[in-house]
Amino acid sequence: DTEVTQTPKHLVMGMTNKKSLKCEQHMGHRAMYWYKQKAKKPPELMFVYSYEKLSINESVPSRFSPECPNSSLLNLHLHALQPEDSALYLCASSGGSSYNEQFFGPGTRLTVL
Amino acid sequence: GNSVTQMEGPVTLSEEAFLTINCTYTATGYPSLFWYVQYPGEGLQLLLKATKADDKGSNKGFEATYRKETTSFHLEKGSVQVSDSAVYFCALTLLEYALNFGKGTSLLVTP
Repeated sequence: DTEVTQTPKHLVMGMTNKKSLKCEQHMGHRAMYWYKQKAKKPPELMFVYSYEKLSINESVPSRFSPECPNSSLLNLHLHALQPEDSALYLCASSGGSSYNEQFFGPGTRLTVL
Repeated sequence: GNSVTQMEGPVTLSEEAFLTINCTYTATGYPSLFWYVQYPGEGLQLLLKATKADDKGSNKGFEATYRKETTSFHLEKGSVQVSDSAVYFCALTLLEYALNFGKGTSLLVTP
């Protein structure tokens, strides 16, 4: 299995809602990532988990809260988001023999009303 | 710091034309280099990679050669198809977790 899966594919939420994005990989990768991508821009790194511990937080606002329950799963909890947080949220993983190669999921298209 | 510079798009080509997308990099060391492709409405897919000087990455008819002397990793394809229409990102990594992307080049191939 060489896939990174993400759910849901699309999400619409209000500014007072709480929702979660989910990411899963079964490649045995030890590092997992969240990226945010705005239209016509490259992905921007948000968080990195290594061995289930948060190792990089790129000064992301606290309304985004990551969680890594186990080595295969990565969640992003969303609360009190702003309309400018609307974007494509990408999950990625890396590890194994190609340790510096990141495998991306299809993304969750988030719209904040 | 480490950075990647790509040619600005959009690039519009007719089917079967030759494609070159330029990519140059700045890095404090010897990076690994990547081309990612993003089709409309999808995530990023790794297209090809090279990990050391003079390596040539290739996949689906696309090629790129790691040129240390010119700090470049230009993407080429001899004959593009409509299905190649996408956004192409050049990227580098020096540290395990840090992937530096270029701004992306949008390619439109017309029949």
